[in-house]
Amino acid sequence: QKEVEQDPGPLSVPEGAIVSLNCTYSNSAFQYFMWYRQYSRKGPELLMYTYSSGNKEDGRFTAQVDKSSKYISLFIRDSQPSDSATYLCAMTRGGNQFYFGTGTSLTVIP
Amino acid sequence: DSGVTQTPKHLITATGQRVTLRCSPRSGDLSVYWYQQSLDQGLQFLIQYYNGEERAKGNILERFSAQQFPDLHSELNLSSLELGDSALYFCASSVGQAMYEQFFGPGTRLTVL
Repeated sequence: QKEVEQDPGPLSVPEGAIVSLNCTYSNSAFQYFMWYRQYSRKGPELLMYTYSSGNKEDGRFTAQVDKSSKYISLFIRDSQPSDSATYLCAMTRGGNQFYFGTGTSLTVIP
Repeated sequence: DSGVTQTPKHLITATGQRVTLRCSPRSGDLSVYWYQQSLDQGLQFLIQYYNGEERAKGNILERFSAQQFPDLHSELNLSSLELGDSALYFCASSVGQAMYEQFFGPGTRLTVL
């Protein structure tokens, strides 16, 4: 079983839609949960990180962590064509291992 | 632009050869991380250095090695290259040792023929 599972998509939504991206994980010791955005042929860009459970909001982006279900989500409100990218979740215990999901490809159609 | 630089952008070489990838972290960052991204494996953590010392090791092959120099730049050495080593190699950096706030470079695309 992989440490982190992420639906690869692809996901296609109309402009202005609310997008929900999700990851599940198996290791209950994970404490830090990150979301990265990666445009084609570019390096991943950190969007936000969350410590332990709860929500965190940054502009149009909201990250949620449910440790009891081992489930994390990223919501994008009022999605824009510029949000079209691959979104990667990542997590760590805070120690010396760092795990990425395989990424979900998102296309926002104008 | 994250402030992390990587050279070269592209590298084409043959099986059995050795290559060196270079990374300069953001100004003030002490940690450097190396990742391999391939289509079938996704983004795999290879190794972390903090202020010149190896801090954490992931799925790094014995044919691969890295180091971080006193000026904090880092090099990833890949030897006895195989076709399966063709991938994007990313470097990331962070201020401290914690892995949760990393900033990635643009990557080096390695093609092994």
